[in-house]
Amino acid sequence: AQSVAQPEDQVNVAEGNPLTVKCTYSVSGNPYLFWYVQYPNRGLQFLLKYITGDNLVKGSYGFEAEFNKSQTSFHLKKPSALVSDSALYFCAVSAYTGGFKTIFGAGTRLFVKA
Amino acid sequence: GAVVSQHPSWVICKSGTSVKIECRSLDFQATTMFWYRQFPKQSLMLMATSNEGSKATYEQGVEKDKFLINHASLTLSTLTVTSAHPEDSSFYICSAREEGGPGPQHFGDGTRLSIL
Repeated sequence: AQSVAQPEDQVNVAEGNPLTVKCTYSVSGNPYLFWYVQYPNRGLQFLLKYITGDNLVKGSYGFEAEFNKSQTSFHLKKPSALVSDSALYFCAVSAYTGGFKTIFGAGTRLFVKA
Repeated sequence: GAVVSQHPSWVICKSGTSVKIECRSLDFQATTMFWYRQFPKQSLMLMATSNEGSKATYEQGVEKDKFLINHASLTLSTLTVTSAHPEDSSFYICSAREEGGPGPQHFGDGTRLSIL
């Protein structure tokens, strides 16, 4: 069975500092990994994905994520945080089990202080 | 980019009422759509996977007769909460995938359902 863990409920960072939001996964076969962001009372917005290829994936709004197969991790990063990055972030993993099913992590709330 | 429109965004109604929520893919065809429920400060709970032209696949514990899903076309799926009660109050979100592969899902903005 596939699963995804986001070990931090909340991450606090000062504006201008680098941020990391952690994600680890467990899946049989090749993982397909995603990050989404959710603002209050809104649906999720797709940020970036890893399907295959380069382990460092660049996405929207200056975010990037690094796929690490040996550590089964896909941490979300940004070199310089903005106050407007404050939101709820979800990591998700898909795997083929007769069809592609996506499992979402519990979410990590990011607070960026000015 | 791919856009999913969900309507209505907010519903307040009396207990016993049935409520229909629409999910449309505006600029792409979605053979598969997903319906989620989200409780405050919690992750998404997949309720069902909706496939165009066939019956929806419901997750364990989700009542099929309570949450009716219809995916009549490649751009429209509907969720009807039948005889809604206060415990059905929640944030419901739909999403759609452009292809059958492992591509990203595109989400609607959600529907806040409040049952009085």
